[in-house]
Amino acid sequence: ETGVTQTPRHLVMGMTNKKSLKCEQHLGHNAMYWYKQSAKKPLELMFVYNFKEQTENNSVPSRFSPECPNSSHLFLHLHTLQPEDSALYLCASSQEGTEGTDTQYFGPGTRLTVL
Amino acid sequence: DAKTTQPPSMDCAEGRAANLPCNHSTISGNEYVYWYRQIHSQGPQYIIHGLKNNETNEMASLIITEDRKSSTLILPHATLRDTAVYYCIVRGYNFNKFYFGSGTKLNVKP
Repeated sequence: ETGVTQTPRHLVMGMTNKKSLKCEQHLGHNAMYWYKQSAKKPLELMFVYNFKEQTENNSVPSRFSPECPNSSHLFLHLHTLQPEDSALYLCASSQEGTEGTDTQYFGPGTRLTVL
Repeated sequence: DAKTTQPPSMDCAEGRAANLPCNHSTISGNEYVYWYRQIHSQGPQYIIHGLKNNETNEMASLIITEDRKSSTLILPHATLRDTAVYYCIVRGYNFNKFYFGSGTKLNVKP
């Protein structure tokens, strides 16, 4: 266990549904991340939050909406997704600010299927 | 950010050492080398990282060449559970960013 949990682990949704992915870290870290991993593709960074402030948005479509209410929780709200959004969504956290100690720790991921 | 090059796949016999190479010839002086692995459909797992000196922990050893243009991850006694994709990453100036390439698929065989 890495100290980063994600729920649900599996999610099947229709294109008109609204759902949310949840991530929680128990490591006392100050930065959290969302990554997307499509089949047979490298991980793609989606969003970065430092101290609850979004500092990175890698041209992610607006149908993905992140929320970081505090430094321990991160959500990814999903609406009107497309079948090509089916992927493994990974959350990670790290302690930023001290060089050499900002290792990212990943959760187990949510396997999302969009029908 | 420095780019890394890794072989797409490698085989290793169970119980033998697995040596996974990585080239990062454009690495800058203040960039660290990180290694992660990803077992099928799970989240990436941190293994080790280093700047200049060789590093060892309970999972692996990291050997970085003196010119820092390449490194080798060593799993001293590979087991079947070490079968995974191994990623070599150079952490860029923006400390938040980890760029995961395609990695090396390590197949540990009985």
